[in-house]
Amino acid sequence: QSDLTQPASVSGSPGQSITISCTGTSSDVGTYNLVSWYQQHPAKAPKLMIYEVSKRPSGVSNRFSGSKSGNTASLTISGLQAEDEADYFCCSYVGSKILAFGGGTKLTVL
Amino acid sequence: EVQLVESGGGLVKPGGSLRLSCAASGFTFTNTWMNWVRQAPGKGLEWVGRIKSKTDGGTTDYAAPVSGRFTISRDDSKNTLYLQMNSLKTEDTAIYYCTGAGVTGILDYYSMDVWGQGTTVTVSS
Repeated sequence: QSDLTQPASVSGSPGQSITISCTGTSSDVGTYNLVSWYQQHPAKAPKLMIYEVSKRPSGVSNRFSGSKSGNTASLTISGLQAEDEADYFCCSYVGSKILAFGGGTKLTVL
Repeated sequence: EVQLVESGGGLVKPGGSLRLSCAASGFTFTNTWMNWVRQAPGKGLEWVGRIKSKTDGGTTDYAAPVSGRFTISRDDSKNTLYLQMNSLKTEDTAIYYCTGAGVTGILDYYSMDVWGQGTTVTVSS
């Protein structure tokens, strides 16, 4: 069981926007701005897409954005493309020097 | 080119031990906080643990399921990270990824901007 809760799946059509949520508690997501998001294509290593809630690493498309409200962080992908179809995982500092991942969300591009 | 290459995975019996290695290149390993993350077959990602750079104390932190059984260490002279796994259980079966924090200039020790391709550990009798 993950400390952080994500929807198991989301879907959208090309060009649309989707949002994936990541719900923690007031002790982790609600307290620390240390939420990151990872994209994983099948049989590939994960890739960092967002760090510190809303910052984008160099080279990541600006179609990817992150935000946080209360105990819930969100990843939004705009202008959905076929190549965005992948699993997405949130990760947060949860105190006591520990990190925790969400259970993951499978994004399907219809 | 920034690269992490894991090795040492394999088949081991429950109760056994295994040591994974991760060879780093293309960045200043000495200054980098390193992590191990695992992924059980068909499951999500699970943070295993971290070792800080020696300049930041070189201390280690572990997830509860592996604390007391797994040990992370580093040899900065060899640019290599290790994961010593003892008292292995079937639930430790997973792909183990080596990751680095802040390698690409991101000033965030708690995200992982570089990942290896992983090495597979299977614990089975």
